[in-house]
Amino acid sequence: QVQLQESGPGLVKPSETLSLTCAVSGYSISSGYYWGWIRQPPGKGLEWIGSIYHSGSTYYNPSLKSRVTISVDTSKNQFSLKLSSVTAADTAVYYCAREAPSAFGHWGQGTLVTVSS
Amino acid sequence: QSALTQPASVSGSPGQSITISCTGTSSDVGGYNYVSWYQQHPGKAPKLMIYEVSNRPSGVSNRFSGSKSGNTASLTISGLQAEDEADYYCSSYTSSSYVFGTGTKVTVL
Repeated sequence: QVQLQESGPGLVKPSETLSLTCAVSGYSISSGYYWGWIRQPPGKGLEWIGSIYHSGSTYYNPSLKSRVTISVDTSKNQFSLKLSSVTAADTAVYYCAREAPSAFGHWGQGTLVTVSS
Repeated sequence: QSALTQPASVSGSPGQSITISCTGTSSDVGGYNYVSWYQQHPGKAPKLMIYEVSNRPSGVSNRFSGSKSGNTASLTISGLQAEDEADYYCSSYTSSSYVFGTGTKVTVL
């Protein structure tokens, strides 16, 4: 069965770039589906960040688009998130997930990223 | 792209049925049959419960059902059980974008 695992720094300084990777096992990204990132600030709701297809086609949340880059590495069966110019408002649990389509059927366990100096 | 509106909390006794609403606009909920629902227990990742308005993924109890009328979607949990106590989020896929609901805390009395 498909499994997703997020990894990356748990602490990022303000104005720097947040970088996370999602390793996928049990399914080849090259076989299809879109793969996405969703975040959840502590005690708050979910926010979709963006998604990518194995071909590299992406679409992003309009409110974050200017700061977000999602990329895919099919050779490593993983995809990545970069969020630039972070502030405290970007502190959240970041989840990676597989779209199934029009919904997210498989999720990683999530990783907390804190933005602080 | 505003969050979909859900009641902050809903409660019910074991065995009862409860319904959670999710209100959007004609640009999201009302315009597409792509409403999904997620259950989230504290400290855990969300779990897909309903997709495309009323479809259940394999393994999800048939006590969970979804529907939609106009710009409002609904999730009904019948035969409420203690394990259903969790946060629930709706989501709508629009034109190349997803929007989530504000979330509803379900309490089993």
